[in-house]
Amino acid sequence: AQSVTQLGSHVSVSEGALVLLRCNYSSSVPPYLFWYVQYPNQGLQLLLKYTTGATLVKGINGFEAEFKKSETSFHLTKPSAHMSDAAEYFCAVTPYSNSGYALNFGKGTSLLVTP
Amino acid sequence: GAVVSQHPSWVICKSGTSVKIECRSLDFQATTMFWYRQFPKQSLMLMATSNEGSKATYEQGVEKDKFLINHASLTLSTLTVTSAHPEDSSFYICSARSGGLSTLSGANVLTFGAGSRLTVL
Repeated sequence: AQSVTQLGSHVSVSEGALVLLRCNYSSSVPPYLFWYVQYPNQGLQLLLKYTTGATLVKGINGFEAEFKKSETSFHLTKPSAHMSDAAEYFCAVTPYSNSGYALNFGKGTSLLVTP
Repeated sequence: GAVVSQHPSWVICKSGTSVKIECRSLDFQATTMFWYRQFPKQSLMLMATSNEGSKATYEQGVEKDKFLINHASLTLSTLTVTSAHPEDSSFYICSARSGGLSTLSGANVLTFGAGSRLTVL
């Protein structure tokens, strides 16, 4: 089975500081990896995804993530945090090229941005 | 881009009654939709996979008679919580697969609805 582990349920950064949210995956087959953001009482919005090809993936709102197979990681970063980035972030995995499978989510990381 | 609409956003019901939540794909056809449940401050747990024209596939531990799923068309899936009890209170989120329609196009892109918060009194 494919799964992800998000290290740190809460991360606090100052406005303008680097954002780093950690995600490690476990998969017996090449995975598709995703980062989603959830604002309070809302659904999930896709930030970025990795399927194949370039391992550094750029997403919306200035976020990016790098797929590192050797480290089984897919950490999410943003060079400079904005107050509006405060939200819950979920890493997710799905088996490679299997359109019938749903996503398996990590437990989420709550990002707090302080002035 | 792909849009998934969920209705209602909020619902309060009495214990013992049934509640239906609708999930619609507005600008694409979705042969497969997924229903998730999210408890406060927790992750999303997959409840079932809804397949158009066939029976839903439920995850282990999810009562199929409690959570009825119907996917009668390519744009609509419904989740009915039958004989609801307070422990069924939760945030229910649906999603649908929309390959190639978002700015991050490609296979396995799931678009999520905004969720439905159910409170059972």
